[in-house]
Amino acid sequence: GNSVTQMEGPVTLSEEAFLTINCTYTATGYPSLFWYVQYPGEGLQLLLKATKADDKGSNKGFEATYRKETTSFHLEKGSVQVSDSAVYFCCVLATDKLIFGTGTRLQVFP
Amino acid sequence: EAGVAQSPRYKIIEKRQSVAFWCNPISGHATLYWYQQILGQGPKLLIQFQNNGVVDDSQLPKDRFSAERLKGVDSTLKIQPAKLEDSAVYLCASSLVAGTDTQYFGPGTRLTVL
Repeated sequence: GNSVTQMEGPVTLSEEAFLTINCTYTATGYPSLFWYVQYPGEGLQLLLKATKADDKGSNKGFEATYRKETTSFHLEKGSVQVSDSAVYFCCVLATDKLIFGTGTRLQVFP
Repeated sequence: EAGVAQSPRYKIIEKRQSVAFWCNPISGHATLYWYQQILGQGPKLLIQFQNNGVVDDSQLPKDRFSAERLKGVDSTLKIQPAKLEDSAVYLCASSLVAGTDTQYFGPGTRLTVL
């Protein structure tokens, strides 16, 4: 069945460090891929998405590229800020169902 | 544009009691979803509505959970009777259409069953 595997957290970084959160997926057909973010005390928000192979989604300095050959959608940011501290969820939308990974908590310290 | 509204934000009940959650989706969104998010896990789809019809309820524990979306707008999710393992955040989301469209999430209702 369809599934998402993302790296376990927490990921702890100093401000201005480089961020990578790995995500791989298993899905039939041509799924769309998403990263959602959950800030403390807030609801899930869409961070970025990609709907076909080689698409790059980007928002707020975050980027992720849809790699069909490696079934991956890794999240990257060149310089993290304290305000980026949150839980990040990688998701695959396949057969009209949105499947979430378990989430990766990011903690950024000044 | 107003987002997805949910109430209450928090609820504490004893096991075997009943509880209901309410959701009002973004205006014009035909598709409405209820998810269950257990602590430390990603959200899991419980039920999906298209207008006022059920599209997918394969993950809904139908012996105790029920949901309705009368008139194709707002929706109610009910648990009766509640079990300890139902403690979770219940998220409502909506999208303009099903399929590749982005889902927009409400703030969730945190349920604690004692």
